[in-house]
Amino acid sequence: DTAVSQTPKYLVTQMGNDKSIKCEQNLGHDTMYWYKQDSKKFLKIMFSYNNKELIINETVPNRFSPKSPDKAHLNLHINSLELGDSAVYFCASSPMSSGNTIYFGEGSWLTVV
Amino acid sequence: GDSVTQMEGPVTLSEEAFLTINCTYTATGYPSLFWYVQYPGEGLQLLLKATKADDKGSNKGFEATYRKETTSFHLEKGSVQVSDSAVYFCALSDRGGSGGSNYKLTFGKGTLLTVNP
Repeated sequence: DTAVSQTPKYLVTQMGNDKSIKCEQNLGHDTMYWYKQDSKKFLKIMFSYNNKELIINETVPNRFSPKSPDKAHLNLHINSLELGDSAVYFCASSPMSSGNTIYFGEGSWLTVV
Repeated sequence: GDSVTQMEGPVTLSEEAFLTINCTYTATGYPSLFWYVQYPGEGLQLLLKATKADDKGSNKGFEATYRKETTSFHLEKGSVQVSDSAVYFCALSDRGGSGGSNYKLTFGKGTLLTVNP
């Protein structure tokens, strides 16, 4: 069983469209994240949720709206897609304790054309 | 704020060569330190971690020691294989968000390693 699973793995869409990426974790973790990896492989946190509550929002445009229906799911909805949104988006989860590992999904490759 | 600096790549080695990828960090607290690996076309996998000073993380022949005095966490492997070709990320985990209630990873820029047969 995949611990952190996200869908779709690949997504090609046109500018201006709205799209969603879904994420689910079966590890029983309290905390979930979205990270963005740009074309230069640089990874940066976007959001963090703890038990459905938004904790970290790292100056991401408000076209990006995360939604956590329960602590096992954290979906990412993106409105009015722009070319610069093309990236790999990683969902992740971790338990709520000091120094514990953050586990990543396999990534969703988004290409905006 | 927190930051991680790791050596610029790409690094190209022959099989069985010794590998070192340097990583230094700045952090306000006492972070945990990690190395993640990303194989071509795949997601991020934890390679090893260390949670306090002088801890050594190890996995698959890779090692790194948490050095508080030099704020470093250099990755080493004695004999690399072709299958080790990947991008390696050094990262630190520290509290983020208002009230500091969640941990977040701050990553270095990644080092591409290519191992030739």
